[in-house]
Amino acid sequence: NAGVTQTPKFQVLKTGQSMTLQCAQDMNHEYMSWYRQDPGMGLRLIHYSVGAGITDQGEVPNGYNVSRSTTEDFPLRLLSAAPSQTSVYFCASSYSNPGTRGSEAFFGQGTRLTVV
Amino acid sequence: AQKVTQAQTEISVVEKEDVTLDCVYETRDTTYYLFWYKQPPSGELVFLIRRNSFDEQNEISGRYSWNFQKSTSSFNFTITASQVVDSAVYFCALSEAFGNQFYFGTGTSLTVIP
Repeated sequence: NAGVTQTPKFQVLKTGQSMTLQCAQDMNHEYMSWYRQDPGMGLRLIHYSVGAGITDQGEVPNGYNVSRSTTEDFPLRLLSAAPSQTSVYFCASSYSNPGTRGSEAFFGQGTRLTVV
Repeated sequence: AQKVTQAQTEISVVEKEDVTLDCVYETRDTTYYLFWYKQPPSGELVFLIRRNSFDEQNEISGRYSWNFQKSTSSFNFTITASQVVDSAVYFCALSEAFGNQFYFGTGTSLTVIP
């Protein structure tokens, strides 16, 4: 069972470069989201999607872009990487909107991104 | 304001000791859900438990137990007879019935010393 698959696992970028973090889930989940994890700050929501074609901003959306053209995929784009975006990124999916039936989130393995 | 507060940043215990991880939440919704996740040193996030706001019954699963108290807005997690494999960062999270996201606490790093 693949679950939530994130690629790549590690990435080093130079300031100003752009890249896309890939996220795919095979559980037919409606809800997908991206978090960043920084020391002492827990998991902060970047963007989320409640279904194909629908996305919205979370707590820390600046510098990131998302789209959801299919149920399965939810890529995260860094438009012009900055050192402040050095972090561990997690993609997560859940059966439905978190508040609906209390669906738990399933997480990918994470992407450790360093911007130099 | 933080919706989920985990005041304990780091805890160290000796193997076989019991340890309680605190979680305090804040919400105005009457329907909400509380979660605990474990993040071992390998980095993945593992779901441990979900509780809805209408079920205050305590839950026990092996050495793990959870105490949900609406009166104090707390959802604490106790590990009995801790083991080295329990060493991890533990996150408490909240979702609200009319919300679109999970709110995570900042995590508690637990180290179990052999």
